[in-house]
Amino acid sequence: SAVISQKPSRDICQRGTSLTIQCQVDSQVTMMFWYRQQPGQSLTLIATANQGSEATYESGFVIDKFPISRPNLTFSTLTVSNMSPEDSSIYLCSGVRGGTDTQYFGPGTRLTVL
Amino acid sequence: GESVGLHLPTLSVQEGDNSIINCAYSNSASDYFIWYKQESGKGPQFIIDIRSNMDKRQGQRVTVLLNKTVKHLSLQIAATQPGDSAVYFCAENIEGGTSYGKLTFGQGTILTVHP
Repeated sequence: SAVISQKPSRDICQRGTSLTIQCQVDSQVTMMFWYRQQPGQSLTLIATANQGSEATYESGFVIDKFPISRPNLTFSTLTVSNMSPEDSSIYLCSGVRGGTDTQYFGPGTRLTVL
Repeated sequence: GESVGLHLPTLSVQEGDNSIINCAYSNSASDYFIWYKQESGKGPQFIIDIRSNMDKRQGQRVTVLLNKTVKHLSLQIAATQPGDSAVYFCAENIEGGTSYGKLTFGQGTILTVHP
């Protein structure tokens, strides 16, 4: 399986602030994605992190709220901007290994906004 | 059954029994399906996948069945163990074009295995 790590593993933040989540994948990963999992619910795709260019966002998610960077093949960041309690969720990055279709997930970042 | 918000479907089984977890998928164009296991405090873990040109695929203690006619997917776990207790999600994808890798997840089922 692909090795995917995230930092921080959890955080408690005040409303109106921003948090940047980091995701590191091993070199065999080609595609990277960011998902959100609200409490007790399933996963929803936020965006595809494109290497060296702007991320591709899904309906309901915008760059101003969730800016994403992917400066190289193995690293991406997701920022949750101007946070409100409704942003309290688990944020997960994932990667697809080159030559396969298997998508692996990181351990997630558990965000609580007060 | 249906679930809304926090009320995920649940399945309780005794250790050693076989478990069947069901999933109805939404998009008839989907051609790639995956089952994930998510333990408390962890990210989803890949279990098994199947493509639409197959109707059955077996792994170690797990079997996935696909019925494209009724858009139904199931995961069978043989000889269920307490370590299998987790939330199980199905996910679907259209492998071609711009949708590649963009997974749509089902609602999830909570599996509890009693010793």
